[in-house]
Amino acid sequence: EPEVTQTPSHQVTQMGQEVILRCVPISNHLYFYWYRQILGQKVEFLVSFYNNEISEKSEIFDDQFSVERPDGSNFTLKIRSTKLEDSAMYFCAIKDDSAETQYFGPGTRLLVL
Amino acid sequence: AQSVTQPDIHITVSEGASLELRCNYSYGATPYLFWYVQSPGQGLQLLLKYFSGDTLVQGIKGFEAEFKRSQSSFNLRKPSVHWSDAAEYFCAVGAQYAGNMLTFGGGTRLMVKP
Repeated sequence: EPEVTQTPSHQVTQMGQEVILRCVPISNHLYFYWYRQILGQKVEFLVSFYNNEISEKSEIFDDQFSVERPDGSNFTLKIRSTKLEDSAMYFCAIKDDSAETQYFGPGTRLLVL
Repeated sequence: AQSVTQPDIHITVSEGASLELRCNYSYGATPYLFWYVQSPGQGLQLLLKYFSGDTLVQGIKGFEAEFKRSQSSFNLRKPSVHWSDAAEYFCAVGAQYAGNMLTFGGGTRLMVKP
C-alpha cells in the first residue's frame, strides 16, 4: 500500500491568515487529491491534480484555495485567507495511473480562530 | 451526480457478534465502490474495494462486502466483531474514469460492547 505523509499534523491559525498544508508521497504517483472533513460531517472532495494541473474541483474549491507541486514531490494546498468555516481535517490522497484505489494520508487538522 | 447513503449513523454491537453496515449508492453506470475505516484521530484506511467481477469481495481485518446491482448496495459485513473494530466506517463511490473523485457517505460509527 502506497504511503503518504502530511505536514503539519495540526495547525492553529487566525482568521484571515494564509496556511499551506503539505502532502508528501513516499514514492512517485500521478494523481493527487485533497479532501476535507468538517467535524462531525462527511468527507468532501476538494480537488484532483494530474500532470501538474487541476483535473477536477468541487464547488468548495473557490478562489481562496490553490494547489501545486512546487518541487515535483510535495503536493500543497494553500488557503489564502482562512475563514472560521475552513476549520476541518484535510486529507491528501494519492493514486497510481495503473490502479483505481486512492490511498489517504493521516490528515492535517486545521483550526481557524 | 453520484451519491452515497449510509442509513445508520451509529451502531452498537457486542463483541463476537456479527456486523452488517449498510451502504446505498446512486450512480448512472457501474461504479467503483470502497469501504474505508477511520479510527479516532486517524486517517482513512482502505478496507476493501469493488471494481468488477465477483460481487463478494474480501478485505482486511476479516471484513467482506457484497455488491448488489439490483439494490444499488454495497454492504459491509464481518462475522465476529472485535473490540478493536470500534471506529467510523465510510462507504465511497467513484466513477470509472482515470482520476475520478470519490463521493463519501456520511459514515457509520461502530461501538463495540464487551
